[in-house]
Amino acid sequence: GAGVSQTPSNKVTEKGKYVELRCDPISGHTALYWYRQSLGQGPEFLIYFQGTGAADDSGLPNDRFFAVRPEGSVSTLKIQRTERGDSAVYLCASSSYIHNEQFFGPGTRLTVL
Amino acid sequence: DAKTTQPNSMESNEEEPVHLPCNHSTISGTDYIHWYRQLPSQGPEYVIHGLTSNVNNRMASLAIAEDRKSSTLILHRATLRDAAVYYCILPEGGSEKLVFGKGTKLTVNP
Repeated sequence: GAGVSQTPSNKVTEKGKYVELRCDPISGHTALYWYRQSLGQGPEFLIYFQGTGAADDSGLPNDRFFAVRPEGSVSTLKIQRTERGDSAVYLCASSSYIHNEQFFGPGTRLTVL
Repeated sequence: DAKTTQPNSMESNEEEPVHLPCNHSTISGTDYIHWYRQLPSQGPEYVIHGLTSNVNNRMASLAIAEDRKSSTLILHRATLRDAAVYYCILPEGGSEKLVFGKGTKLTVNP
């Protein structure tokens, strides 16, 4: 079966621009997570959805970051007024129920020039 | 999350067993011990998890100390494809987020 997919795989943008990153979870998975990973570091939690609602958004660094999951499946991470420090690999994961393994996508590499 | 301590790096030879240690001295009674690994240029991949008893699956074994303050991920026969960063993670009970440290970078020599 299909795994978690993320688009685009690479995104280059200029400082100050708006970007959207998309995540397609595994079909039927109710939980969806966003992480970001800077070079040489482990992934850092951003936000977690259970169904359509954000159950934990404590990892979003500031109000420039926002994520939605309107129908409980696909999710979009939105970053406004991008900064060079936002450059990282953004990872999405999904899982089927609490305490089960998280399945990760390949990530979107965001570069802010 | 309960903090974990792992060596920065380890080396192994192909087809030999590998024991990856993790210390988690502040673990609580309800904390599961999860292991993920990340191959180069890929997203993390679940390896195994356990609570108190030792666990085995097709990828690895997890040996948990009796006091649960440490655990060891065991790869029975390392292959070149096992070269990755291995993360030991203890999500708090009721928390779904994974808090990754820097993990252990495993190098497998042919």
